[in-house]
Amino acid sequence: AQSVTQLGSHVSVSEGALVLLRCNYSSSVPPYLFWYVQYPNQGLQLLLKYTTGATLVKGINGFEAEFKKSETSFHLTKPSAHMSDAAEYFCAVSAITQGGSEKLVFGKGTKLTVNP
Amino acid sequence: DGGITQSPKYLFRKEGQNVTLSCEQNLNHDAMYWYRQDPGQGLRLIYYSQIVNDFQKGDIAEGYSVSREKKESFPLTVTSAQKNPTAFYLCASSTEYSNQPQHFGDGTRLSIL
Repeated sequence: AQSVTQLGSHVSVSEGALVLLRCNYSSSVPPYLFWYVQYPNQGLQLLLKYTTGATLVKGINGFEAEFKKSETSFHLTKPSAHMSDAAEYFCAVSAITQGGSEKLVFGKGTKLTVNP
Repeated sequence: DGGITQSPKYLFRKEGQNVTLSCEQNLNHDAMYWYRQDPGQGLRLIYYSQIVNDFQKGDIAEGYSVSREKKESFPLTVTSAQKNPTAFYLCASSTEYSNQPQHFGDGTRLSIL
């Protein structure tokens, strides 16, 4: 069964520092992978996705992620953190239900704090 | 603008009461989903529907019910059988293609009076 592990439920960085949020997945088939961001009391917004092709994926707000099959990882990075990046981030992998339908399996989330 | 509308934003339930959360989308998506979010738990799938008049249980369906009478609408009822309903509920929709992302509403926060 597909699953997602996000290492670190809380990450704190200084403004201007590198942001690195870790995601490892397990999947028996080539995965489709997604990163979402959630601001307080709001829904999830798509940051980026990997389906096929180029393994380095660029998303919105300066974020990018690299799909590494050998490491089963899809870590999210941003070179320079901004105060507005403070939010919770979710990694997700596409999975097949028992009924044969598609669904997303989410990690438990990483809350990012950006210090001035 | 196309999107997903959830209402109400805040909802309070009395003991023994059923409450219904609304979810409407105008994205012309076939698939719709309901998730429950608790702090530190991520998102857990309650029910999903791939087509009108058909829906399937997700990972935590007990104490919940849904209907899908129209493509645009996928209401969730939290029944009195759900003993711990306090949570943030998110509705999402997507096309039928698994490489496409799900689009989310802004959620409904349900609390017990």
